[in-house]
Amino acid sequence: DVKVTQSSRYLVKRTGEKVFLECVQDMDHENMFWYRQDPGLGLRLIYFSYDVKMKEKGDIPEGYSVSREKKERFSLILESASTNQTSMYLCASTITGTSGSTETQYFGPGTRLLVL
Amino acid sequence: LAKTTQPISMDSYEGQEVNITCSHNNIATNDYITWYQQFPSQGPRFIIQGYKTKVTNEVASLFIPADRKSSTLSLPRVSLSDTAVYYCLVGDINTNAGKSTFGDGTTLTVKP
Repeated sequence: DVKVTQSSRYLVKRTGEKVFLECVQDMDHENMFWYRQDPGLGLRLIYFSYDVKMKEKGDIPEGYSVSREKKERFSLILESASTNQTSMYLCASTITGTSGSTETQYFGPGTRLLVL
Repeated sequence: LAKTTQPISMDSYEGQEVNITCSHNNIATNDYITWYQQFPSQGPRFIIQGYKTKVTNEVASLFIPADRKSSTLSLPRVSLSDTAVYYCLVGDINTNAGKSTFGDGTTLTVKP
């Protein structure tokens, strides 16, 4: 079974702090994603990466950056945390699909971040 | 990216069949339709995926009409443990490396 782990289940930070959220997958997947989930807004894509050192902006990248130095690890960085970044953060990974096929996303358990 | 629209919530009773419809009027030729299930405090979990017509697995069925502008997730004989949020996802995973758009999700509540 694919395993996607996130560094913390719960995190409390203060406004202005730099926050690192780490995600690790153990199935050699090329693609990794960071989402945030808020009540009434569903899942929104922040950033994704399709290879080491590659990244692309999702729908709501403002206030976030990412790092993919190793294939199995994808980090989400909040340079200066703000209260409106209080949310559930979900990491996912997928393998690159071959012609005529597509892959599903495997999600981690989530990190619930509270910014005070 | 194709935007999806789902009902916000649905109620059902144990043993009933539940059908959740997702509208995706702007679906592109290469887009697949995927449904995920999410329980509280957990990440979403894959249920079923399809491109056209009908797909069935041990958990659910997915019905996709010829125009592909909507799809219906069918859960046979639901139980209390099927209470969850169900997301419809449309996207071309191969060319956009998974840059797909989740819908707002449908909260299904199964009552005894």
